[in-house]
Amino acid sequence: NAGVTQTPKFRILKIGQSMTLQCTQDMNHNYMYWYRQDPGMGLKLIYYSVGAGITDKGEVPNGYNVSRSTTEDFPLRLELAAPSQTSVYFCASSTMTGEGQPQHFGDGTRLSIL
Amino acid sequence: AQSVTQLDSHVSVSEGTPVLLRCNYSSSYSPSLFWYVQHPNKGLQLLLKYTSAATLVKGINGFEAEFKKSETSFHLTKPSAHMSDAAEYFCVVTPYSSASKIIFGSGTRLSIRP
Repeated sequence: NAGVTQTPKFRILKIGQSMTLQCTQDMNHNYMYWYRQDPGMGLKLIYYSVGAGITDKGEVPNGYNVSRSTTEDFPLRLELAAPSQTSVYFCASSTMTGEGQPQHFGDGTRLSIL
Repeated sequence: AQSVTQLDSHVSVSEGTPVLLRCNYSSSYSPSLFWYVQHPNKGLQLLLKYTSAATLVKGINGFEAEFKKSETSFHLTKPSAHMSDAAEYFCVVTPYSSASKIIFGSGTRLSIRP
């Protein structure tokens, strides 16, 4: 019963490097989300997807890209890492956005840009 | 426009005493409301949800919350705190059919004194 799985759990990047944060879910959820969590703050939505092949920007999309080729996978790409992208990144999924539909979260990827 | 305010950034209680974590929301329509808990280095886990049925909602681990429309509040309570309740708690407002409009509160850190 894996739920939402994120890899890696920790990563240190140098400024200007690129990387992909992986997220996969085994619940057949249509909706998937990427959030970042900065200290003392709530979660900010980066990108979301309502189904395979469909993605859209959230509140803080600059510096990130996503793709959704399958229902299960929703990777997040950082092309040119900047110190402002140091954060904890959470992937989540849900059956839909609607009455009573909770999100299921992965355990996060802790990313430091130095 | 929707918003959610968690009135306390940090709450400290003694083990065995009641817990009250406060959440006020603003919404132009009846929202779905959630409380999530986040333990250190973990993702968010659903505690309970309100979806326009009963105004008093029971969740896991002895937590409950009461939806008060007249006060636009959704406070989280527990009669007797346990050491394992020490965590970060998030109040979340979710609209119907709008994945980009999910609003997270800034969180309340609950500390439990022995």
